[in-house]
Amino acid sequence: NAGVMQNPRHLVRRRGQEARLRCSPMKGHSHVYWYRQLPEEGLKFMVYLQKENIIDESGMPKERFSAEFPKEGPSILRIQQVVRGDSAAYFCASSRDRGPHYNEQFFGPGTRLTVL
Amino acid sequence: KQEVTQIPAALSVPEGENLVLNCSFTDSAIYNLQWFRQDPGKGLTSLLLIQSSQREQTSGRLNASLDKSSGRSTLYIAASQPGDSATYLCASLARTGGGNKLTFGTGTQLKVEL
Repeated sequence: NAGVMQNPRHLVRRRGQEARLRCSPMKGHSHVYWYRQLPEEGLKFMVYLQKENIIDESGMPKERFSAEFPKEGPSILRIQQVVRGDSAAYFCASSRDRGPHYNEQFFGPGTRLTVL
Repeated sequence: KQEVTQIPAALSVPEGENLVLNCSFTDSAIYNLQWFRQDPGKGLTSLLLIQSSQREQTSGRLNASLDKSSGRSTLYIAASQPGDSATYLCASLARTGGGNKLTFGTGTQLKVEL
């Protein structure tokens, strides 16, 4: 059973470009979470999605950031018109609906975004 | 709003020493508490998860305890080794807003020296 997969692992963008980060949850998991780790800071929650629904986006910046988790395919975190302050590691986690330890989140390896 | 604090921020010990990392949280209405390890430039490795109904969990040389009433968790590492050098993060899972989310502490950076 493959773990949570994220790609790309490293992404370099110039200011003003768009960044698209992808996350494939573990098999059987229908809940996806995105977290951001800024340099020298802790991980902060961004958004929680279930298939085709955003459940909690209280941690998302108000502008330029969006997330989706379509019926088919991976979850996408999209950052428009990137700025240097967006440089960070972005981690995705997934969890399942039910069963033992259903609320345990499993993390992917992260995408490290560098904005030049 | 849940706040998670970890003490100390950094710790350097000689190999073989037993050590304790501390984690405190402000809101005791949690589902679980999880300890992670993060190596420089790498992702998160889950070490131990303690459900809210449990008091402790053990895995090898690691033991984590949870005291919800006092808002504290500790991670005990026995017979530390240089390979244990990493940043250790604790995170509490609570229901806020529309769903569950993890609130992370800022970590304890551990260095185990030969």
